[in-house]
Amino acid sequence: AQTVTQSQPEMSVQEAETVTLSCTYDTSESDYYLFWYKQPPSRQMILVIRQEAYKQQNATENRFSVNFQKAAKSFSLKISDSQLGDAAMYFCAYPVPSNSNSGYELNFGKGTSLLVTP
Amino acid sequence: KAGVTQTPRYLIKTRGQQVTLSCSPISGHRSVSWYQQTPGQGLQFLFEYFSETQRNKGNFPGRFSGRQFSNSRSEMNVSTLELGDSALYLCASSLESRLKKGEQYFGPGTRLTVT
Repeated sequence: AQTVTQSQPEMSVQEAETVTLSCTYDTSESDYYLFWYKQPPSRQMILVIRQEAYKQQNATENRFSVNFQKAAKSFSLKISDSQLGDAAMYFCAYPVPSNSNSGYELNFGKGTSLLVTP
Repeated sequence: KAGVTQTPRYLIKTRGQQVTLSCSPISGHRSVSWYQQTPGQGLQFLFEYFSETQRNKGNFPGRFSGRQFSNSRSEMNVSTLELGDSALYLCASSLESRLKKGEQYFGPGTRLTVT
């Protein structure tokens, strides 16, 4: 079974500081993407960042970056210069190929609730 | 481009009733997936449609069904509602491309409450 594990149910960070959210996954695939989604209180799921497994370079999107360790199957999200608007649930997701070998379903972790304090 | 839209945003139904939720994908996206989100079970995959065909199905009872129209809009239906069906139902669309490998964009969700 392909699983995604987020071991931190809750994290807290002060404004302007840096926080890292952890994620590990299990897969037998060699070529895949990984995603971090943000779900604020509005419940809209927003794609934050993606990592392509065949790329050794860690993905970066403005203040968001990942630390991708393929051998360790680890995919952590680093948020720099945290802002109050970053407060949300963060989900790590791995796309599982469908049985028909076309299309994917996203397998999500349980999520990490990030609190940002002034 | 307009994002994924879902209607209605909120719904209250009684046990035993049925409900239909609607989803319009991002223009050009032909794949539509549905997920159920509950506090206890987290995010669970319901099914995926592509070109009006169900291509993938999660582990949910037959009371949960869906369909997709020629314009890629999708509906999901839940019959004989149970209290445990109370959840946020999220729709996601994606561009069918091997290069995208499962990247999906979500709508705002429909909050279903069953009483």
